[in-house]
Amino acid sequence: GDSVTQMEGPVTLSEEAFLTINCTYTATGYPSLFWYVQYPGEGLQLLLKATKADDKGSNKGFEATYRKETTSFHLEKGSVQVSDSAVYFCALSGESGNTPLVFGKGTRLSVIA
Amino acid sequence: GAVVSQHPSWVICKSGTSVKIECRSLDFQATTMFWYRQFPKQSLMLMATSNEGSKATYEQGVEKDKFLINHASLTLSTLTVTSAHPEDSSFYICSARVQGHQPQHFGDGTRLSIL
Repeated sequence: GDSVTQMEGPVTLSEEAFLTINCTYTATGYPSLFWYVQYPGEGLQLLLKATKADDKGSNKGFEATYRKETTSFHLEKGSVQVSDSAVYFCALSGESGNTPLVFGKGTRLSVIA
Repeated sequence: GAVVSQHPSWVICKSGTSVKIECRSLDFQATTMFWYRQFPKQSLMLMATSNEGSKATYEQGVEKDKFLINHASLTLSTLTVTSAHPEDSSFYICSARVQGHQPQHFGDGTRLSIL
């Protein structure tokens, strides 16, 4: 079945550091790919998405490119802030769009001033 | 953007009590809703999928008599934890979408603590 693998955390960075959180997937066909963010005590918020190969999703300085050849959707940000501290989940939706999201295990990011 | 409201955000109750959690889509018609459970520092575990007007489809290992799901309208789904016990304490999150469309939109979650 479909699956998502993302790098284990926690990740601790200093403010203004460069962030990469790796995400790879296994799926048939052409899934849609997502990054969600969860702040402490809250639900999940959609951060960005990409629905086809070579699409780049971007939001709030974060970006990720849908790489079909490497089945990857790595999350990057050039300069993190303390307010970016949260748990980040990579997820995919099967090609049909009718199945629930499949989530990675989440990566906890802590940014220190 | 699409908004999903979940209520209550925090519940503390005695063992043996039944607890109802509501999930509402505020500005779109959610043909499909999902209920997840999240343990501390872990990912989301899908409990069940419900389509409006149909019985919920439960994931393997989830007791349907324990976790009652009702999706009677296009904007409301409820999860009732019946005769809750301390092991049911968890963070429950609902999610909603229009069937066949992405993304899923999430509520803010309900923290359930059973004493």
